[in-house]
Amino acid sequence: GAVVSQHPSWVICKSGTSVKIECRSLDFQATTMFWYRQFPKQSLMLMATSNEGSKATYEQGVEKDKFLINHASLTLSTLTVTSAHPEDSSFYICSAREVGRGDYNEQFFGPGTRLTVL
Amino acid sequence: GQNIDQPTEMTATEGAIVQINCTYQTSGFNGLFWYQQHAGEAPTFLSYNVLDGLEEKGRFSSFLSRSKGYSYLLLKELQMKDSASYLCAVADSNYQLIWGAGTKLIIKP
Repeated sequence: GAVVSQHPSWVICKSGTSVKIECRSLDFQATTMFWYRQFPKQSLMLMATSNEGSKATYEQGVEKDKFLINHASLTLSTLTVTSAHPEDSSFYICSAREVGRGDYNEQFFGPGTRLTVL
Repeated sequence: GQNIDQPTEMTATEGAIVQINCTYQTSGFNGLFWYQQHAGEAPTFLSYNVLDGLEEKGRFSSFLSRSKGYSYLLLKELQMKDSASYLCAVADSNYQLIWGAGTKLIIKP
């Protein structure tokens, strides 16, 4: 158990367009979901934390109007990159956590979405 | 501030043993995680320590000393597939994960 999926796995788009990335917990209810960004050869950078039914909490320096997060259900969170630009090209990874799931309340990661903005 | 330090890169030989160190300074402590991340893939969970001491899981072991703010991941009988980045992460007082930059481990035949 504890499988997290992401869709799409990769996307190429033109500058100025918006891109939506979905994150689903397939076999558990994720009370909390996390969105990370990872640039090449760098570690994970937490962008925001979202709890089902409430507004996401964004990390300092992350523009909430540019990175729209919706956590409408216990199994689905979406990240929309609005008006994407080449500097937004990155590897976006979601993770999910359910209190009591897993031996250590660890985060379970999706496979990631590679975004390339031309 | 909060800080996690680990070496940027390490090289080891197939069949050998390697120890990857992690030191941390965080506001609160609710456990330390080690994750493995292959290039272009998402991290996968390896281990969790919240009490001092050594946790062994097959070829991998993880050690924690809370008083020293120190942990290490020990990999034995190295295999080529162990070539990956190893991420140290600490859960702070709010259970948020603070991530280290990762250690890229290169295994040579």
